[in-house]
Amino acid sequence: DTAVSQTPKYLVTQMGNDKSIKCEQNLGHDTMYWYKQDSKKFLKIMFSYNNKELIINETVPNRFSPKSPDKAHLNLHINSLELGDSAVYFCASSQRGVEKLFFGSGTQLSVL
Amino acid sequence: SQQGEEDPQALSIQEGENATMNCSYKTSINNLQWYRQNSGRGLVHLILIRSNEREKHSGRLRVTLDTSKKSSSLLITASRAADTASYFCATDARNYGGSQGNLIFGKGTKLSVKP
Repeated sequence: DTAVSQTPKYLVTQMGNDKSIKCEQNLGHDTMYWYKQDSKKFLKIMFSYNNKELIINETVPNRFSPKSPDKAHLNLHINSLELGDSAVYFCASSQRGVEKLFFGSGTQLSVL
Repeated sequence: SQQGEEDPQALSIQEGENATMNCSYKTSINNLQWYRQNSGRGLVHLILIRSNEREKHSGRLRVTLDTSKKSSSLLITASRAADTASYFCATDARNYGGSQGNLIFGKGTKLSVKP
């Protein structure tokens, strides 16, 4: 069983569209994250949720809105997609603070 | 601003050789972690070393931490082709309140192990 699963794996869309990426973890972890990895492999945190509560909201445009219906799910909705949003988005979870994150396999978003 | 920075950016070695990657960081930390990322995959946690530890081993991995120099190294001994991946160091940042903190990743070292 996959510990942290995110869908879809690939997402190709046009500028201006709205899209969502789903993430689920079956590890029973309290904290979930969204990271963005750019073309140079630089990984930057976007959001952190602990038990459905937003903990960290880095300098991310308002077009990005995370939603956590329960502590096992953290979805990412993106409005009005822009070319610069093209990247790989990773969901992750952890049980104890920021020690030992478990990552999903990533969603490669391409905005045309 | 970026916390961790790996060196070298890329490393190519032959199977059986040792691979050493370095990481430097800027602020005080609680712990430092190393992750591996295979091409097209998510990151996998390898090892965590706490700020009061100087060295840690896990299988063929050896991690050292020098808090006075704000640096860490990851040594992979007797490398294998399957070790080919990008390796990232990550440090927790103490600039957020509460216990959750924030894990900040470096840009990674791309390791290529040739059979």
